Amino acid sequence: DTAVSQTPKYLVTQMGNDKSIKCEQNLGHDTMYWYKQDSKKFLKIMFSYNNKELIINETVPNRFSPKSPDKAHLNLHINSLELGDSAVYFCASSQDPGDRPYEQYFGPGTRLTVT
Amino acid sequence: DQQVKQNSPSLSVQEGRISILNCDYTNSMFDYFLWYKKYPAEGPTFLISISSIKDKNEDGRFTVFLNKSAKHLSLHIVPSQPGDSAVYFCAASVDLGGSQGNLIFGKGTKLSVKP
Repeated sequence: DTAVSQTPKYLVTQMGNDKSIKCEQNLGHDTMYWYKQDSKKFLKIMFSYNNKELIINETVPNRFSPKSPDKAHLNLHINSLELGDSAVYFCASSQDPGDRPYEQYFGPGTRLTVT
Repeated sequence: DQQVKQNSPSLSVQEGRISILNCDYTNSMFDYFLWYKKYPAEGPTFLISISSIKDKNEDGRFTVFLNKSAKHLSLHIVPSQPGDSAVYFCAASVDLGGSQGNLIFGKGTKLSVKP
C-alpha cells in the first residue's frame, strides 16, 4: 500500500497550457507539502498546508496554486506553463508535531517537461 | 543562499567499510536535522534525524553526529552495503511557531558502495 502517491508520474505539455498534479496520502497525516527539484537537483519547498493554514514560499509564482479537497489530498495546479517549470515535483506529508515533528514522507515524484 | 550545504557531490566506498557523509549549515536557528535517502525515480525516504539538543543519534548501521559549534553534521554508515548506494540529502528545519516545520535540503551526495 503506497503511503504517498502522485499522478501522473510523467507529464509532457506545451508552454501556455494549464495542468494539474494530484497527490494523495493514506497515512492520516495533517500536513501536506509540495516540493520542486530543479535541474540543479535542489529540493525546495513550494507550499505547506494543513486544515489551519497555507504557507507559501514567497518565491513561488502565483501561477502555482495548491488545492486540497480533503485532508488526504493536495493537488497542484499550474497555469500558463513556462519552460522553467520543467522539474520533478514531489508531494510529501507529515504528522503534526510529536516525537518526530519534521519527519516527512515523500511521494515518488512527477517529472514535468514543458516544451 | 544555501543554508544547508553538502559540499561533496559524490562518494565512493568499498563494501564493508565506513561511509561518512557531511553536511554544513549556516542558520543557527535550525532545531532539527534529518537525513533522507533517494533512489532513482523514487521520492526521498526518511533515514534518521537528530534534535539540536543532542550530539548523536544511532539507528542500526546509521549514526548521525551533530556539532553545533561548527554547524556541522555527519552521517556514518557502518558497514556500508551495495544497497546503500543512493543519493543522500541532509535537511534542516526551524520551528516556525506553527504546526509545520519546513525542511531546507542540501543538494545531496551520491554514495556508491562497491562490492
